[in-house]
Amino acid sequence: DAGVTQSPTHLIKTRGQQVTLRCSPKSGHDTVSWYQQALGQGPQFIFQYYEEEERQRGNFPDRFSGHQFPNYSSELNVNALLLGDSALYLCASSQAGTTTNEKLFFGSGTQLSVL
Amino acid sequence: AQRVTQPEKLLSVFKGAPVELKCNYSYSGSPELFWYVQYSRQRLQLLLRHISRESIKGFTADLNKGETSFHLKKPFAQEEDSAMYYCALTFSGTYKYIFGTGTRLKVLA
Repeated sequence: DAGVTQSPTHLIKTRGQQVTLRCSPKSGHDTVSWYQQALGQGPQFIFQYYEEEERQRGNFPDRFSGHQFPNYSSELNVNALLLGDSALYLCASSQAGTTTNEKLFFGSGTQLSVL
Repeated sequence: AQRVTQPEKLLSVFKGAPVELKCNYSYSGSPELFWYVQYSRQRLQLLLRHISRESIKGFTADLNKGETSFHLKKPFAQEEDSAMYYCALTFSGTYKYIFGTGTRLKVLA
């Protein structure tokens, strides 16, 4: 089991461009969460996808959108990139449970640099 | 607003010395607290969670609701404990985890 896989590992974009990041969850997991980690900060929750729907969203603008596919993989899209979007983007997968106490399994992240 | 505070960015201790990584949270209800760890060139992974009341790699953490703290402790630090440690909070009714800014632990030989 490869665990959570993310692609690409690194990405360089310019301001105003659009970017798509991809994530495949750990085998057996059906829930995908996306986090943004700026330099020197902890991960910040962007949103979570379950059953192909956005289940909860953090304090991020509409420029951040996502999608979950029937095979549980997910994409994070960011439009109109700003310099401040430069960060490590982490995908975390889990199994949906009856409580929120779901153990998160993280990918290695995609390092996005916006110039 | 809910918040997790890790006051130390860097903590250096000698091998064999006790370790305490501090974590304070801001939440008025019943929290669920976790410690995540990231070793060099590895991904972020769960170390322990308060609900399990377990000891992992010699580390323990007790939830103190009165002091709103969840400090991570180990009596005798090992060099392989050197890593980045993040305290995280979640609670019933949400699917998000709120992470602190992390503490880098360096265990010196």
